[in-house]
Amino acid sequence: AQSVTQLDSHVSVSEGTPVLLRCNYSSSYSPSLFWYVQHPNKGLQLLLKYTSAATLVKGINGFEAEFKKSETSFHLTKPSAHMSDAAEYFCVVIHTGGFKTIFGAGTRLFVKA
Amino acid sequence: KAGVTQTPRYLIKTRGQQVTLSCSPISGHRSVSWYQQTPGQGLQFLFEYFSETQRNKGNFPGRFSGRQFSNSRSEMNVSTLELGDSALYLCASSGTEGSTGELFFGEGSRLTVL
Repeated sequence: AQSVTQLDSHVSVSEGTPVLLRCNYSSSYSPSLFWYVQHPNKGLQLLLKYTSAATLVKGINGFEAEFKKSETSFHLTKPSAHMSDAAEYFCVVIHTGGFKTIFGAGTRLFVKA
Repeated sequence: KAGVTQTPRYLIKTRGQQVTLSCSPISGHRSVSWYQQTPGQGLQFLFEYFSETQRNKGNFPGRFSGRQFSNSRSEMNVSTLELGDSALYLCASSGTEGSTGELFFGEGSRLTVL
């Protein structure tokens, strides 16, 4: 069975400090993993994706994530937070070979000035 | 290239009414999926269509239905609306076979049921 767990429902950082949003997954198959961002009253925008190529994935707006199979994790990081990063972030697993998409519960990122 | 377009963006209905939401995918995309987003339940998968066939379905009552047309545009319908149906309904399209590709989301249709 597949599942996605975002370990923090809320994360608060100061502008200019690092961001870490944690995601663990469970999958019986080789997963495709994604991070999406959602700003208020907007749809979801793809930040980055892992599809069994390089384990360190770089995305838009300075975000990156590392796929660690041994830890079944796909944490999202950014070296320096910006006010515009304040949004909700979703970790997503797509079952390769099937048609199921599993969303994490989301992590709301607050950025303090 | 135009993105995913959802209409209407906002609508208000009363209990017992029905509603139809529309989604136009990115040109060339054949897969369209629908999601309900609420503060309490988060993002929940409703159903997915590929080439006019429902390929996957979430755990929603039969009041929620959908369809896809030959041009890949999709509609979802909710009948006998309940207060709990108030939500942001998101549509996403995908251009690859199966669900291995990324999803491209529209901005959603915000439904308020009074």
